[in-house]
Amino acid sequence: NAGVTQTPKFQVLKTGQSMTLQCAQDMNHNSMYWYRQDPGMGLRLIYYSASEGTTDKGEVPNGYNVSRLNKREFSLRLESAAPSQTSVYFCASFWSGLYDGYTFGSGTRLTVV
Amino acid sequence: RKEVEQDPGPFNVPEGATVAFNCTYSNSASQSFFWYRQDCRKEPKLLMSVYSSGNEDGRFTAQLNRASQYISLLIRDSKLSDSATYLCVVSGGGADGLTFGKGTHLIIQP
Repeated sequence: NAGVTQTPKFQVLKTGQSMTLQCAQDMNHNSMYWYRQDPGMGLRLIYYSASEGTTDKGEVPNGYNVSRLNKREFSLRLESAAPSQTSVYFCASFWSGLYDGYTFGSGTRLTVV
Repeated sequence: RKEVEQDPGPFNVPEGATVAFNCTYSNSASQSFFWYRQDCRKEPKLLMSVYSSGNEDGRFTAQLNRASQYISLLIRDSKLSDSATYLCVVSGGGADGLTFGKGTHLIIQP
């Protein structure tokens, strides 16, 4: 099915380890986003990419880096994981139009111990 | 800072009842409005967009009041399967993403 694919679905890291979360969409969307969701905090934007070749910081970018590899793929990297980065991470993509919603991936549950 | 405020609930409602949620948003320049549904441990999924004139999709009706900066969602004849968290979402129209409310938890009881 067309949509947004995230890998991995689950991950446990030790403090200080690094990892990359992968996201790919096959809907030819221009814009892609990384959110984190924590209990009681709602979804918060980490980074976004309005188009291929561009990336911008969102609300909570500290501790993360991103790469828009091509139009389809947008990865999120944790260089030195911290327990505060334990969260559920969602990738989303968006095409255009005022009344088009976002399509989300199924999420990555990350635990940093 | 752009904000979207919702009553977190939970709303405990008997099956077949009508339930309504509201949310308020702080950014008067907001252009697009949505309701998303999120099931436990799942990703958010678009339930419906909210148009200025109001819109209906089956048992669901959404309304937008720009003057008062609030959005509503009405669910009629509620089903057990409507149990979920409902997220109010607002966009400024730019590419910097959507602003999400923290969600309203709905529990439909048999």
